[in-house]
Amino acid sequence: AQSVTQPDIHITVSEGASLELRCNYSYGATPYLFWYVQSPGQGLQLLLKYFSGDTLVQGIKGFEAEFKRSQSSFNLRKPSVHWSDAAEYFCAVDGHSGGNNRKLIWGLGTSLAVNP
Amino acid sequence: DAGVTQSPTHLIKTRGQQVTLRCSPKSGHDTVSWYQQALGQGPQFIFQYYEEEERQRGNFPDRFSGHQFPNYSSELNVNALLLGDSALYLCASSTRGQETQYFGPGTRLLVL
Repeated sequence: AQSVTQPDIHITVSEGASLELRCNYSYGATPYLFWYVQSPGQGLQLLLKYFSGDTLVQGIKGFEAEFKRSQSSFNLRKPSVHWSDAAEYFCAVDGHSGGNNRKLIWGLGTSLAVNP
Repeated sequence: DAGVTQSPTHLIKTRGQQVTLRCSPKSGHDTVSWYQQALGQGPQFIFQYYEEEERQRGNFPDRFSGHQFPNYSSELNVNALLLGDSALYLCASSTRGQETQYFGPGTRLLVL
């Protein structure tokens, strides 16, 4: 069965510091991978996605993520964190059953706090 | 271009009642998925609708049902509400066969 693990429940960084949020997945085929961000009381905003090709993908708000098949990982990074980046971050895998059916399997999320 | 919209934003019900949540997909999208997000958890897939039919379903009881209308909007119905149904209900839309889902702001349901 597909699963997503986000090992870090909560991370605190200082503003201007670099950030890496970890995501590991379990999936039997080539995965589609996503990172979403959720601000308090808000819905989910897509940061970036990986389907195939270049394993380093760029997203919005200065985020990037690297797909490493050998490690079953898709870690999210940002070189310099801003206070507005404080939010909940979710990694998700497309656990499609084939054909056109699509559903997302989610990690439990990582809560990011940013110190001024 | 309007994104995914959901109504209502908040809802309070009591145990045993029934609730209907609504979702309008992003313009040009024909597929709607529903997710339940309990406090402190990641979203859990409930079901997905395309061409007015339920195409796939997650591990949710039959108390959870849905509908999709010809204009692609969708409803999520929950019968016989339990305290454990309290959660944020998220609607996501996409184009059939496309991998990216776009989410609405959610409906926060509280069951007392």
